[in-house]
Amino acid sequence: GAVVSQHPSRVICKSGTSVKIECRSLDFQATTMFWYRQFPKQSLMLMATSNEGSKATYEQGVEKDKFLINHASLTLSTLTVTSAHPEDSSFYICSARVNRNHEPSYFGPGTRLLVL
Amino acid sequence: KNEVEQSPQNLTAQEGEFITINCSYSVGISALHWLQQHPGGGIVSLFMLSSGKKKHGRLIATINIQEKHSSLHITASHPRDSAVYICAVLSNFGNEKLTFGTGTRLTIIP
Repeated sequence: GAVVSQHPSRVICKSGTSVKIECRSLDFQATTMFWYRQFPKQSLMLMATSNEGSKATYEQGVEKDKFLINHASLTLSTLTVTSAHPEDSSFYICSARVNRNHEPSYFGPGTRLLVL
Repeated sequence: KNEVEQSPQNLTAQEGEFITINCSYSVGISALHWLQQHPGGGIVSLFMLSSGKKKHGRLIATINIQEKHSSLHITASHPRDSAVYICAVLSNFGNEKLTFGTGTRLTIIP
């Protein structure tokens, strides 16, 4: 099956710093990528939908200036958590899909962010 | 009421048992995913289906569109099947967003 990678897999940073997370589709071109966050023992929460070459669409309650998303190419989307705070500590997961009928979403392995 | 509900929330079974996890949804969908999330966090897409039944190894997924219900079955369960299984639906509104169930935590005891 298709592979989606994320980097880094784990990051620890100090409060106030910015953290960039990369999501890559390795063997297919992803017209759409999605960013989720997941708190312990909870379900995935969609943060934003990212289409190549256009601005991301953010879900209600997600600050677009705090969580910057750049979908620079059909194989790469980045999420930057700006001025991270301890409450931003979470598990961030991306998924990617080809915009064709009957194509599934492929999920990345996730990035665990801990802000001290 | 959540748009996607799973049952049971937690399931513990002995190795070898037949496992069934259920998912009910209340919206019109174009497809339904069954996902597996291991303790490390990574998510694997097991099935995507919009009708009927799919089988992969010891896993079987069925969906009944009229009843808005899907089941995931695991035959001859094994401790390595222990994970959280998540049902997610893709609405037919064309917005491409997945709506997730809260997951079923499965533990298979040797």
